[in-house]
Amino acid sequence: AQSVTQPDIHITVSEGASLELRCNYSYGATPYLFWYVQSPGQGLQLLLKYFSGDTLVQGIKGFEAEFKRSQSSFNLRKPSVHWSDAAEYFCAVGLYNNNDMRFGAGTRLTVKP
Amino acid sequence: NAGVTQTPKFRVLKTGQSMTLLCAQDMNHEYMYWYRQDPGMGLRLIHYSVGEGTTAKGEVPDGYNVSRLKKQNFLLGLESAAPSQTSVYFCASSYLGLARYNEQFFGPGTRLTVL
Repeated sequence: AQSVTQPDIHITVSEGASLELRCNYSYGATPYLFWYVQSPGQGLQLLLKYFSGDTLVQGIKGFEAEFKRSQSSFNLRKPSVHWSDAAEYFCAVGLYNNNDMRFGAGTRLTVKP
Repeated sequence: NAGVTQTPKFRVLKTGQSMTLLCAQDMNHEYMYWYRQDPGMGLRLIHYSVGEGTTAKGEVPDGYNVSRLKKQNFLLGLESAAPSQTSVYFCASSYLGLARYNEQFFGPGTRLTVL
């Protein structure tokens, strides 16, 4: 069965430091891959997505993600974190011709001043 | 342009009571979805709709019913609420389906507590 794993439940970084959030998936085929962000009390907002092409994807708010087929990973990165990036981040995976999208459990990001 | 809205924002029910959550979108999207979000489990798809008058089951459909009588509205019903249905419920919509690499737009959520 398809699954999505976000190994880190909670990460704390200092403002200005770099960030990497991990996402691993288990699928038989190349899936659609998404990263969403959820600010406190809000719904989810799309940061970026990937299906094919360049494996390094640029998103909004200065985020990027890299697809690594050999590692079944789609890690999210940001070179310099801002206090406003504090939120919960969800990796999500979907399959072509299948409306059943699966979300990871989320990683909560805390930003220290 | 309000996007996706959900009514109500908060609700407390007693076990066995029924209620309906309303989701509305003004983006003329064909696809609409209901998710529940529980701590440590991310979002799980309850039901979805691929157009007016059509619905389908997601990952966790038991105990819920849905209806899509109008394109812009998607209702989620709990006929006999149970404490296990305490959760935050999110509605989402998309122009095309998830199978077409499409972005979902999410509502702000409804926090439901069943006592």
